[in-house]
Amino acid sequence: GAGVSQSPSNKVTEKGKDVELRCDPISGHTALYWYRQSLGQGLEFLIYFQGNSAPDKSGLPSDRFSAERTGGSVSTLTIQRTQQEDSAVYLCASSSKRVYGQFFGPGTRLTVL
Amino acid sequence: GIQVEQSPPDLILQEGANSTLRCNFSDSVNNLQWFHQNPWGQLINLFYIPSGTKQNGRLSATTVATERYSLLYISSSQTTDSGVYFCAAVNTDKLIFGTGTRLQVFP
Repeated sequence: GAGVSQSPSNKVTEKGKDVELRCDPISGHTALYWYRQSLGQGLEFLIYFQGNSAPDKSGLPSDRFSAERTGGSVSTLTIQRTQQEDSAVYLCASSSKRVYGQFFGPGTRLTVL
Repeated sequence: GIQVEQSPPDLILQEGANSTLRCNFSDSVNNLQWFHQNPWGQLINLFYIPSGTKQNGRLSATTVATERYSLLYISSSQTTDSGVYFCAAVNTDKLIFGTGTRLQVFP
């Protein structure tokens, strides 16, 4: 497809389990971002990848969160030992220097029981 | 860090009415984006507007960077305009979001 895609669309897990969320950016976009949207915190930045540069991890809330981007394209956000406060919608976005602005995927709704 | 404030928090309109949404930001930013989050949660790009005015159909946006605010105008509103409108300041490539304006348009 032409847009950013994310999988799964919904994920229900038990407290303490690990989860992996996937993002496929728009083809050719060099920058990839992860955000999350929760009732209490609104929309907040998590991590940013630009080309081959070291990622900006300044928004990750704890060391249980990590992300990688393989081959400059697909990215995986991993949350270890999930907690109930991790419940949120996790949004991925990508951008290109040729097209202004960040373009968002549909998100993954994570529920931690 | 940069703070982004939006007003009003909620807006209820009848179809056909016009509205203005405001976004204030606390410091200089590289750029500013407006988004519409539809009832299914999808964030849709509306404008990428560092300064000046842009128009797209019934929507237009104006950013006055020197005074640190941006306005989104919706004319002749339709029920499909319902949802939450976010502005986001671009700071070193990261988006700092406001808390949004929830718009409900009734027929």
